[in-house]
Amino acid sequence: EAQVTQNPRYLITVTGKKLTVTCSQNMNHEYMSWYRQDPGLGLRQIYYSMNVEVTDKGDVPEGYKVSRKEKRNFPLILESPSPNQTSLYFCASSLTGGGGYTFGSGTRLTVV
Amino acid sequence: GDSVTQMEGPVTLSEEAFLTINCTYTATGYPSLFWYVQYPGEGLQLLLKATKADDKGSNKGFEATYRKETTSFHLEKGSVQVSDSAVYFCALRAGANSKLTFGKGITLSVRP
Repeated sequence: EAQVTQNPRYLITVTGKKLTVTCSQNMNHEYMSWYRQDPGLGLRQIYYSMNVEVTDKGDVPEGYKVSRKEKRNFPLILESPSPNQTSLYFCASSLTGGGGYTFGSGTRLTVV
Repeated sequence: GDSVTQMEGPVTLSEEAFLTINCTYTATGYPSLFWYVQYPGEGLQLLLKATKADDKGSNKGFEATYRKETTSFHLEKGSVQVSDSAVYFCALRAGANSKLTFGKGITLSVRP
């Protein structure tokens, strides 16, 4: 089944403790992206990647890192999480050229 | 920059009522347009899309037409069901980085 898989689904952590949210897609998509969803603000892009070893900042990149060493994986790294990063995170992938994205099921992160 | 504006919500309808959710956009060039749906506790699913002016996207009884002259992509359904209760997002994809820009979403509740 074609899908984007995120892990974990739920995560509670403490301020300053480094964490990684994994994302993997099995559709051979070149393009991958991370979004966060917050009430009243909708979905905002954090980082995106056009292909292996090509990443760039989205609208709200502060406090996040990404890497794209393989085509299928695009992990989101929070080096020193803070409470304002409490949010619902989505990974998405697509072919380049204007088609729709396929989204993962989301990761609900709480930073206390 | 690119932007998407959706009508304010929430919207509550009775089953079998007619649905219209307004969406307008601002973009340079010729964006692709999308409607995504998010059911409670789930990720975003692509509902329908249109890639050029006058295209009509349709799926599950929902329709939307890409209107370049009014920069709009309104979502319609002739007879809603309780199972259509969800959050609906209008989005556009444009630019060299293939970024997906979302509206803020609108919550639809359909009562029996």
